[in-house]
Amino acid sequence: LAKTTQPISMDSYEGQEVNITCSHNNIATNDYITWYQQFPSQGPRFIIQGYKTKVTNEVASLFIPADRKSSTLSLPRVSLSDTAVYYCLVAANAGNNRKLIWGLGTSLAVNP
Amino acid sequence: DVKVTQSSRYLVKRTGEKVFLECVQDMDHENMFWYRQDPGLGLRLIYFSYDVKMKEKGDIPEGYSVSREKKERFSLILESASTNQTSMYLCASSTALGLYDADTQYFGPGTRLTVL
Repeated sequence: LAKTTQPISMDSYEGQEVNITCSHNNIATNDYITWYQQFPSQGPRFIIQGYKTKVTNEVASLFIPADRKSSTLSLPRVSLSDTAVYYCLVAANAGNNRKLIWGLGTSLAVNP
Repeated sequence: DVKVTQSSRYLVKRTGEKVFLECVQDMDHENMFWYRQDPGLGLRLIYFSYDVKMKEKGDIPEGYSVSREKKERFSLILESASTNQTSMYLCASSTALGLYDADTQYFGPGTRLTVL
């Protein structure tokens, strides 16, 4: 059964670039990889989504290698307000079905 | 802006009580989801619905049921609450890109349920 793996926690300092990698074996061929951000006492919020190569929006970039077995969320020049838990989400093959597979989340702490 | 609202932010119930958690979305989304979130376990899907009166079990449906009588409303029911159902419950909705696509889900603020 497919699973996703991401680091439990990361530390950074204001102004640095942060890269969080999610490993996902057996990802479904045509499915997207999505990343969410969650602050305490709030529901997760969509950050970015991609299928292959690189996607960039106003808050992050997403790098996906050709084999699509991993993806890396890149946050440029983080600030204290980027302290949150980051989740990757993929749809994966599970026998004859597909299911949504959430990572367990990476708790990012941005220090002054 | 998409808005997903949940009926309560905090709820305290006693063991054996029947508990209703309500979720409403205002974007005419076809898909709606109920998750529970526990420390160290991430988000776990309880049930989802892809249309009115339609439902599918997620990864941990035991002890729960759901109801979707109107497109905008998705209810989670704990028939007889137990202490191991103490958790954060999150509702989400998304457009119908294909049920298992990792499409954008919009989440409510969550309901923290405590069962004593």
